Amino acid sequence: AQKVTQAQTEISVVEKEDVTLDCVYETRDTTYYLFWYKQPPSGELVFLIRRNSFDEQNEISGRYSWNFQKSTSSFNFTITASQVVDSAVYFCALSGGNDYKLSFGAGTTVTVRA
Amino acid sequence: KAGVTQTPRYLIKTRGQQVTLSCSPISGHRSVSWYQQTPGQGLQFLFEYFSETQRNKGNFPGRFSGRQFSNSRSEMNVSTLELGDSALYLCASSGARVGETQYFGPGTRLLVL
Repeated sequence: AQKVTQAQTEISVVEKEDVTLDCVYETRDTTYYLFWYKQPPSGELVFLIRRNSFDEQNEISGRYSWNFQKSTSSFNFTITASQVVDSAVYFCALSGGNDYKLSFGAGTTVTVRA
Repeated sequence: KAGVTQTPRYLIKTRGQQVTLSCSPISGHRSVSWYQQTPGQGLQFLFEYFSETQRNKGNFPGRFSGRQFSNSRSEMNVSTLELGDSALYLCASSGARVGETQYFGPGTRLLVL
C-alpha cells in the first residue's frame, strides 16, 4: 500500500520568503512516481512536478525546486521568493507498481501575505 | 489543447436521489480517473477507466459506479445519495501507462441536503 505524509498543515509567510513543503512517502514498489499538485481556492488541482523513482536528480524550474531523496523517502518542494498568487493548498502524491491511482497526502495550506 | 472539462460544476441534491457527473478528458488521453475530496477524508480515489474498462477501483460502496464511452468521455453515478456524499468530485485524464501525469478538471461540487 502507498502512503504519503505531509506533516505541515499550514504555513504562513510574507511575500518574497522561501517556502519548503515536506513530503514523506511509503511504498514497497521499486518503481514509483511522485507528484506535486497545487489547489487554489477555485478547486482545480494543478500539476506542478513529477519525478520517477530511478531519477534522483534534483532540479529547479523557475521559482520551484524539489529535493528527492530515496534514502529518507522524502520528496520536498520549495517555492523561492513566494508571491501572493502562490497561496493555495499543495498536495504531494504517489503512484507505483501496477497501481494507476494517485495516493495523496493531506495537503499543506500555504498563505503568502503581502 | 483543451483541458479536462467536467459538468455540471455545481449540484444540489437531496438524500435518496441519484446523480450523474460527466467528464471529458484531454484529447488523446484514454485513461480517466475519479477522485472524491472531502474535508475529513481528503482526496480519495474512486475508480479508473481505460478503453471503456474499469482497471482500478477504490474502497467505495457499490452506490458509486462509473463508465467510459468509446470517445473516452466518462460518467460517474452515485445512487441513493447520503449526506456524507457531499464533496468535490474531481476527474483526471492521462495517458495509458502507470505513472503518467494525471491532469485534473475543475471538479463538480455536490451538496446533498
